[in-house]
Amino acid sequence: AQSVAQPEDQVNVAEGNPLTVKCTYSVSGNPYLFWYVQYPNRGLQFLLKYITGDNLVKGSYGFEAEFNKSQTSFHLKKPSALVSDSALYFCAVRDSGGYNKLIFGAGTRLAVHP
Amino acid sequence: GAGVSQTPSNKVTEKGKYVELRCDPISGHTALYWYRQSLGQGPEFLIYFQGTGAADDSGLPNDRFFAVRPEGSVSTLKIQRTERGDSAVYLCASSPSNAGSPLHFGNGTRLTVT
Repeated sequence: AQSVAQPEDQVNVAEGNPLTVKCTYSVSGNPYLFWYVQYPNRGLQFLLKYITGDNLVKGSYGFEAEFNKSQTSFHLKKPSALVSDSALYFCAVRDSGGYNKLIFGAGTRLAVHP
Repeated sequence: GAGVSQTPSNKVTEKGKYVELRCDPISGHTALYWYRQSLGQGPEFLIYFQGTGAADDSGLPNDRFFAVRPEGSVSTLKIQRTERGDSAVYLCASSPSNAGSPLHFGNGTRLTVT
């Protein structure tokens, strides 16, 4: 079965510093991988996805993610964090059932301190 | 354009009562998904519709849960004989059917069973 793991419950970073939120995946076949962000009392907002092609994927709000097949990872990154980036971040993988059902990780809370 | 709309935003009900949660997807999106998110956890898949039919209801926890999408647009998630353990945020998402299309989420309905 497809799955993703987010090993960190929380990531703390100072404003202006680079940030990384980790995600590893387990799939059969080629992975379709996604990152979503959730602000308080809001639904999930799509940030970026990897389906095929370049291993470095660029997304919304200056975020990017690096697909690494040998390490089965899809870490989310941003060169310079903003306080407004503080939120919950979810990694997800498309299920193998042939449609766009997503399996989500448990989430990582990002706290960016001024 | 308009995003996914979910009503009500909050619902408080007594144990044993029946509730209906409504989802209005993005116009033209043929796929519709229901997820449930408990505090501190990632979204958990409940059911997926392609058009009017439930293509995958493997995530519904038991037969108290039921969902419909009679005209291929608006969907209603129905919960009978609610239990305190049903308290969660219920998220609806829609997407085009193209492989790899991201899901677009509504802001959710927070259900509290007292």
